[in-house]
Amino acid sequence: NAGVTQTPKFQVLKTGQSMTLQCAQDMNHEYMSWYRQDPGMGLRLIHYSVGAGITDQGEVPNGYNVSRSTTEDFPLRLLSAAPSQTSVYFCASSTRESTEAFFGQGTRLTVV
Amino acid sequence: AQTVTQSQPEMSVQEAETVTLSCTYDTSENNYYLFWYKQPPSRQMILVIRQEAYKQQNATENRFSVNFQKAAKSFSLKISDSQLGDTAMYFCAFSNAGNMLTFGGGTRLMVKP
Repeated sequence: NAGVTQTPKFQVLKTGQSMTLQCAQDMNHEYMSWYRQDPGMGLRLIHYSVGAGITDQGEVPNGYNVSRSTTEDFPLRLLSAAPSQTSVYFCASSTRESTEAFFGQGTRLTVV
Repeated sequence: AQTVTQSQPEMSVQEAETVTLSCTYDTSENNYYLFWYKQPPSRQMILVIRQEAYKQQNATENRFSVNFQKAAKSFSLKISDSQLGDTAMYFCAFSNAGNMLTFGGGTRLMVKP
């Protein structure tokens, strides 16, 4: 029972590099979302999706792109990494009817 | 836009005692959900308890209970019989649509033996 799987768990990037954080869920959940967690600030919503082909911006979307081609996958793309994007990133999913979000284990990203 | 405020950055409690974590929120919505999440050092986000705003009865899950005051927009978490395994960051969160959550800044709880 995998739930929500994020890869990689740790990543170090150089400023200007691009990369994709992967998120996959095997629970057939319609809703998926990405958050970043910075010290002392809790989690903030980056982008979210209410179904395949549908995405929208959250509170802090700048510098990130998302797409949702399948129900299972919701990758987060950093186009040109900046030190301000150093953070822990969480992916979450839930059903349309449920209020409970299931979180992945997070990706710690460091941009140097 | 919703905001969630946790005014206690850090708290400590002796093992077996009771501790209350505070949370206030601001919203113009009438139907919404409130949550407490626990984040241990493993950084996994674990749902502790949830409350539907339309329910007047306070939610309870074993040693965890909430005091939900809708008019005051307050949602505190009480942990009874604190255990060493309760040591973690605790986040209060708000949702009115699916799993799009607004989080507070967190309270770091230390349970002392």
